Formats: sequence, structure tokens, C-alpha cells
Amino acid sequence: AQRVTQPEKLLSVFKGAPVELKCNYSYSGSPELFWYVQYSRQRLQLLLRHISRESIKGFTADLNKGETSFHLKKPFAQEEDSAMYYCALRSNSGNTPLVFGKGTRLSVIA
Amino acid sequence: KAGVTQTPRYLIKTRGQQVTLSCSPISGHRSVSWYQQTPGQGLQFLFEYFSETQRNKGNFPGRFSGRQFSNSRSEMNVSTLELGDSALYLCASSFDLAYNEQFFGPGTRLTVL
Repeated sequence: AQRVTQPEKLLSVFKGAPVELKCNYSYSGSPELFWYVQYSRQRLQLLLRHISRESIKGFTADLNKGETSFHLKKPFAQEEDSAMYYCALRSNSGNTPLVFGKGTRLSVIA
Repeated sequence: KAGVTQTPRYLIKTRGQQVTLSCSPISGHRSVSWYQQTPGQGLQFLFEYFSETQRNKGNFPGRFSGRQFSNSRSEMNVSTLELGDSALYLCASSFDLAYNEQFFGPGTRLTVL
């Protein structure tokens, strides 16, 4: 069964501190992993996807197939990073729907 | 380019009624997906349409249905509403099914009394 687990509902960090949002997955096959973000009063939007290997807004995420994890990291948190973050996966063939985790609310304290 | 639009933005219904929600994708996008978002369950996939055909369906009862028109606009219908159907219903569009980013609409907030 496909499953995405985000163990933390809420993560609070101080401005300038490192951030790591955890995501573990269960999938029988080759998944494609994503991080979506929803800022206050804005739409859900794609932050990054593992196949692009990009760094967006200072965030990076590495797919660890051995540990079935796709943790989101940023070395220095900013107040504008405060948002709801969702990890999601689908088949790498693209023909299955996105399965989302329940999300982690990141709060960056000034 | 205009983003994904959803109408209405807010809706209040009573148990037993039915409701139709509408989604207009980004121009040129042919795939539309629907999700239900609740505080307890998060985002759950309802169905996905591509070129007027349902390609995937989530684990929801038959009271939930949808369709897509030739202009790629999509509607979802919920019949015999239950209190537990209260949620934010999100629509997302992408150019096609594979390897494309999904762009989300603002959602329709449905409250069932």
C-alpha cells in the first residue's frame, strides 16, 4: 500500500536555526517524491520534486531509498518559511494519483 | 496565465442535499484532479480526469462523482450529503497525466449542517 508519513504535526524553530521536516514513505515500486507548501491564505503549491534535484528557497530534499525517506532541509530558517508542508508521492510513471502525508506546520520564531 | 479557479468558494448545505462544485483548469491543461482536505485526514484523492475520461479514482463512496467536459472544465457532485462531507475540496490541473506539476485552485469550503 502507498503511504506517506510525516511524524510531526508541528515543528517550531528559531530564525536562523536549521530545519528538517521528516517524510517517510511506503511504496511497492519506484516512486516520485514531492514537497508541497501552503503559506497562509495562499494556494497549495509545489516546492520541489526529487527528480529535479533543485534547491528552492534554500530548501533541499534527498531521496533515501534505503530508509524510504525524503526529508526536507534548510540550513537557516527564515520567518517567511512559516507554512504548512506536505510530502507526497506517486508512481514515477506518472499514471497514479498523488498520495499526500498529513502535513507538518512549520513555525519560525523570530 | 490565469490560475485554476473554483466556484463557489463557500457553500453551506444541509444533510441529505446534493451539491455540485466546479473547477476551471489553467488554459491548455487537460488533466484535472480533485482532493478532499480535512483537519483529521489531510488531503485525500477523490478522482482524476484526463480528456473527459476518469483515469483514477480514490477510495470514496459512490455518492461522490465527477465529470470533465470537452473544454477540460470539471465538476464534482456529492449526493445525499453527510456531516462528515464538510471539508475543503481542492481541484488541481496539469498539462497531462505524467511528470507534470499540478497547480491547485483555492478550494471550495463545503459546510454540511
